[in-house]
Amino acid sequence: DAGITQSPRHKVTETGTPVTLRCHQTENHRYMYWYRQDPGHGLRLIHYSYGVKDTDKGEVSDGYSVSRSKTEDFLLTLESATSSQTSVYFCAISVGGPNTEAFFGQGTRLTVV
Amino acid sequence: AQSVTQPDIHITVSEGASLELRCNYSYGATPYLFWYVQSPGQGLQLLLKYFSGDTLVQGIKGFEAEFKRSQSSFNLRKPSVHWSDAAEYFCAVGGKNTGNQFYFGTGTSLTVIP
Repeated sequence: DAGITQSPRHKVTETGTPVTLRCHQTENHRYMYWYRQDPGHGLRLIHYSYGVKDTDKGEVSDGYSVSRSKTEDFLLTLESATSSQTSVYFCAISVGGPNTEAFFGQGTRLTVV
Repeated sequence: AQSVTQPDIHITVSEGASLELRCNYSYGATPYLFWYVQSPGQGLQLLLKYFSGDTLVQGIKGFEAEFKRSQSSFNLRKPSVHWSDAAEYFCAVGGKNTGNQFYFGTGTSLTVIP
């Protein structure tokens, strides 16, 4: 599993509240990604990081922000949660360079009510 | 733009039968290609990958895939399916021209009947 831990694994939150999801890796890989998975859409990239304090937007970044102050941690924040952000969120790391091989965490199931 | 198409949303096969899951991609250069499997409630596990070289690649759990440049395809195969293969399968493309990201297909759900 390449030492990837996501927390929390499950969360229910109310509309309008901020939420932060954490991805922690133990192997100091440079490239980290946040995806959301929704039925019929596969996995869609939210944000990614290519180093400490180096991040960029993905396909579905609106309403999300990220931070990476340490190599091992990549945080995803929903500034003001909406029901459309109910999803399963996966963190991934890329081993051996960008887009070469991704290993995924176990996912976080987020429900916004 | 890069994209991945998995034309089969759901496939049902009998245990012991052969399996082929289709994947077509759109990419401007030689891509890096991947197949992942996801069991219910779990993350994605890498089955196999293609970067270059031999176009027939072997993966874990008895799976293989063949890269066909002329058809822009990377189909996943298994000669004899086991009940434990029931899962969701995702094809993905990566590479230097993808803007530092992977592109995933929408997935194929596999049901295995006894």
